[in-house]
Amino acid sequence: GQSLEQPSEVTAVEGAIVQINCTYQTSGFYGLSWYQQHDGGAPTFLSYNGLDGLEETGRFSSFLSRSDSYGYLLLQELQMKDSASYFCAGPLMNRDDKIIFGKGTRLHILP
Amino acid sequence: ETGVTQTPRHLVMGMTNKKSLKCEQHLGHNAMYWYKQSAKKPLELMFVYNFKEQTENNSVPSRFSPECPNSSHLFLHLHTLQPEDSALYLCASSQEGKTSAGGELFFGEGSRLTVL
Repeated sequence: GQSLEQPSEVTAVEGAIVQINCTYQTSGFYGLSWYQQHDGGAPTFLSYNGLDGLEETGRFSSFLSRSDSYGYLLLQELQMKDSASYFCAGPLMNRDDKIIFGKGTRLHILP
Repeated sequence: ETGVTQTPRHLVMGMTNKKSLKCEQHLGHNAMYWYKQSAKKPLELMFVYNFKEQTENNSVPSRFSPECPNSSHLFLHLHTLQPEDSALYLCASSQEGKTSAGGELFFGEGSRLTVL
């Protein structure tokens, strides 16, 4: 089947760095996206890796290794407002309009 | 404000009721999606419409009936639901359904449905 696995919860300290991993069970993904969702809010797009390697956008970076079926989201200089759920997602190679999501990682930030 | 508006934000209904969820996008996108979000589960793709044509029905029970009258509006008609259908229903849109090129999904804030 097609699935993405990520930890259910991660806790980190304000100002620190945290990495959220995502592994997937199929080679049928074009790439890997990351979304952020605050409580009561809409998921919002953070990044997309279509190629292997690191993509950096401000305090957030995302990495993909398709040979390892693995990616991660790196958040630096954590702020309290980064407390949210983070989802990895993959668009399927045989479907141009279908994205599969992981269960999400709840990030708790301690002051 | 993501450009995708969902109404109602909250809905409580009995198992014999008929109700509808509405989604409207103001982004000029051509693909629209319904996702179901339940606790401890991944976002589940329910339906995809690409240029008003349904391109995905992810084994969704017939008590959920989508309707896409034009590229800007998407409905989810609900009838004879079960308590396990209680969840957050999220609508999303994307440009021409080209998610393979990194095209992002723009989500609404969802309709929280409770079935009694």
